[in-house]
Amino acid sequence: NAGVTQTPKFQVLKTGQSMTLQCAQDMNHEYMSWYRQDPGMGLRLIHYSVGAGITDQGEVPNGYNVSRSTTEDFPLRLLSAAPSQTSVYFCASSRVRGTNYGYTFGSGTRLTVV
Amino acid sequence: TQLLEQSPQFLSIQEGENLTVYCNSSSVFSSLQWYRQEPGEGPVLLVTVVTGGEVKKLKRLTFQFGDARKDSSLHITAAQPGDTGLYLCAGQAAGNKLTFGGGTRVLVKP
Repeated sequence: NAGVTQTPKFQVLKTGQSMTLQCAQDMNHEYMSWYRQDPGMGLRLIHYSVGAGITDQGEVPNGYNVSRSTTEDFPLRLLSAAPSQTSVYFCASSRVRGTNYGYTFGSGTRLTVV
Repeated sequence: TQLLEQSPQFLSIQEGENLTVYCNSSSVFSSLQWYRQEPGEGPVLLVTVVTGGEVKKLKRLTFQFGDARKDSSLHITAAQPGDTGLYLCAGQAAGNKLTFGGGTRVLVKP
């Protein structure tokens, strides 16, 4: 089925470790973004991209890097994991033209940093 | 920073009752979206409202966009246990970025 695929689904990291959360979409969507979801705080935007080669920071970018070498893939890198990065991470995509298109979300990566 | 406030944060009702969830902001949005999220899954788009005063119906769900495009409401008629979930509103501004409200957790008891 077409959609947004995130891997892994679960991950436990030790403080200071690095890792990459993978996100791929097969809908030829130009816009992709990463959110984190924490209890009582809703979904907060980490980074986003309006097309291959273009990325920008969202609301909570510190400690995370992104790149967009292809339309399909938008990986999120944690440089040196901290307990404050324990969260559920969602990747989402949408068409970029116009402002009335809904987002398609992946099923999330639940990350625990110990 | 554009903020969206949802109320109530939690709602527990019996099957067959009606409920309304509110989404308010001091900012104007070009469109407002409603999502439902179930445990262990990502949010799923229910509806997008674009025009001030617009009303959209999706079976037993009625969505309304405020005249000034700053607020919205979701009304569920005769709620069923399958309506249980986290309901999220999200405002869309220029550049396609979405700002999410904190969510309303709805529990419909059989």
